[in-house]
Amino acid sequence: EIVLTQSPGTLSLSPGERATLSCRASQSVNSNLAWYQQKPGQAPRFLIYGASSRATGIPDRFSGSGSGTDFTLTISRLEPEDFAVYYCQQYGSIPRTFGQGTKVEIK
Amino acid sequence: EVQLLESGGDLVQPGGSLRLSCAASGFTFSTYGMTWVRQAPGKGLEWVSSISGSGDRTFYADSVKGRFTISRDNSKNTLYLEMNSLRADDTAIYYCAKIGVCYDSWGQGTLVTVSP
Repeated sequence: EIVLTQSPGTLSLSPGERATLSCRASQSVNSNLAWYQQKPGQAPRFLIYGASSRATGIPDRFSGSGSGTDFTLTISRLEPEDFAVYYCQQYGSIPRTFGQGTKVEIK
Repeated sequence: EVQLLESGGDLVQPGGSLRLSCAASGFTFSTYGMTWVRQAPGKGLEWVSSISGSGDRTFYADSVKGRFTISRDNSKNTLYLEMNSLRADDTAIYYCAKIGVCYDSWGQGTLVTVSP
């Protein structure tokens, strides 16, 4: 099973600041890495696939990078609606696995 | 517009059974694989099971293998999760999701509580 480790656990930032979230895989997933956003009481929302491709309708302030074992989700300028929990997920092998999440909170 | 609506969540005793449903609309259901993902209270996301568009291939997490069965009825545009021998650690919100490139559309979830 591929273990995904996200860091930091919590990121405290102000609106307008840049957020950088990390996801590290225990073995290579190539570019089979996705990112999801989840707000309290809501279902996850699909953001990024193929490590760096934005899903339909996702603003360009969200960007993903990386391949192999190290990945990054960057939010260039935080909007109030971006404060949420973010999960990475690998879809290169079964079982599919998620990281434990990074909470982006308002400082 | 893709819509996924889960139902069937309930309070059930340990050792009991439950069947979840996910009614799909807004896309050609039989063309897409589907998946169940769960989230225990206050915890992260956990993949549970997936099924191919035709239903001929199924996949399970080790934590549910032998106890849960995923299936689909393409004539009814509905996905199912049959859950047996339920345990306290199966308590979670269960989401169904459509598999496009990834899990690109999600339902709102249905709550399963396993407790005496």
